[in-house]
Amino acid sequence: QSALTQPASVSGSPGQSITISCTGTSTDIGFYNYVSWYQQHPGKAPKRIIYDVTKRPSGVSNRFSGSKSGNTASLTISGLQAEDEADYFCNSYTGSGTLFGGGTKLTVL
Amino acid sequence: QVQLQESGPGLVKPSQTLSLTCTVSGSSISDGGYYWSWIRQHPGKGLEWIAYVYYGGNTYYNPSLKSRVNMSVDTSKNHFSLDLSSVTAADTAVYYCARVMWPNSYDYWGQGTLVTVSS
Repeated sequence: QSALTQPASVSGSPGQSITISCTGTSTDIGFYNYVSWYQQHPGKAPKRIIYDVTKRPSGVSNRFSGSKSGNTASLTISGLQAEDEADYFCNSYTGSGTLFGGGTKLTVL
Repeated sequence: QVQLQESGPGLVKPSQTLSLTCTVSGSSISDGGYYWSWIRQHPGKGLEWIAYVYYGGNTYYNPSLKSRVNMSVDTSKNHFSLDLSSVTAADTAVYYCARVMWPNSYDYWGQGTLVTVSS
């Protein structure tokens, strides 16, 4: 199984919105509504920010939102803040386990 | 507050078996409702799912690692374990344990432990 495909990096200025894509196949993202997203700051463990494609855990800012179309899931961060600078990973259920994306480094300019 | 803590040797010799334990507090493994998982991250790289297990015994493994991996659960100690055999330098990584809301919502993570494979 190959990792889900994410752009290596994205950037945006404070206050702007950015979207990170995560592309899989018809046997993972395209088949199941089980996509999650994680934020990871340097030297820290990942933190769940989206699950089941669109659900946001308690305590996570509503500036984070998730969506899916076909084999591609997306994470949108609105009103960018300096603290959003981090690595972001997507994850999908595959029917027999889970698969992570390669990660996207978000730089807040 | 749910907490997970990895423990095990930080240095393993090539061809040996890497063994790690994840001790859980604030959540009982035998209560059901969750799976328990190992994930690793090679230095400067992305996350790689290794396996997950349910306390009742259902276990799922990453196909690329399945031949070398074994996960187990000890409900009396409220911990779960990972054994990865025949390790090479390519297994050098930070290993995380996590709790999983089925099937792929990793809601609590350990802090991670770096395991280096070197002679």
